Amino acid sequence: ETGVTQSPTHLIKTRGQQVTLRCSSQSGHNTVSWYQQALGQGPQFIFQYYREEENGRGNFPPRFSGLQFPNYSSELNVNALELDDSALYLCASSSGVSTEAFFGQGTRLTVV
Amino acid sequence: AQTVTQSQPEMSVQEAETVTLSCTYDTSENNYYLFWYKQPPSRQMILVIRQEAYKQQNATENRFSVNFQKAAKSFSLKISDSQLGDTAMYFCAFSARYNNNDMRFGAGTRLTVKP
Repeated sequence: ETGVTQSPTHLIKTRGQQVTLRCSSQSGHNTVSWYQQALGQGPQFIFQYYREEENGRGNFPPRFSGLQFPNYSSELNVNALELDDSALYLCASSSGVSTEAFFGQGTRLTVV
Repeated sequence: AQTVTQSQPEMSVQEAETVTLSCTYDTSENNYYLFWYKQPPSRQMILVIRQEAYKQQNATENRFSVNFQKAAKSFSLKISDSQLGDTAMYFCAFSARYNNNDMRFGAGTRLTVKP
């Protein structure tokens, strides 16, 4: 197992609500990327944080936002939840933008 | 834009035999990485093998090897001596060399190893 931990492991929310997902990166890692994996599909890149700054974003609307803290842990926030936001959300951390990324086990979000 | 295509949604192989998973990609980048990830039911993505585009030699990791054809933009994974523990989803992924944390994934191939 990697040292990347995500919480919670499962979550059920109602459409229109807001959700915060958390990622604790592996020790020594300053880069965190978030991915959305819909059922039966490959992961899609949401955004990346490098040393507390957003460092790239995929094709996701502004209601997907994030933070990286001084200890390099990270949060993914999603506002105004939609049914299509139901997915596995994966976090990956690395010691730099050009080094191997290690994934957590993900948070399964269900929007009803 | 970079795209990754895996044309085999499902495959199966007998234990101890060899199987090859296919992947093609499209990019205008010249320097990039290609990856194969394994995702077992535990959901955690595990790196199987990585290939740097500027290296002509195909990457190998124990029973796993790739056939990288840069001109054809093809990147297949060969698993030799398949084991029951190899049963999982396999994803092919691409990233530009300057940021290999921003990966673009294919839709995956579900591999089942049969006893």
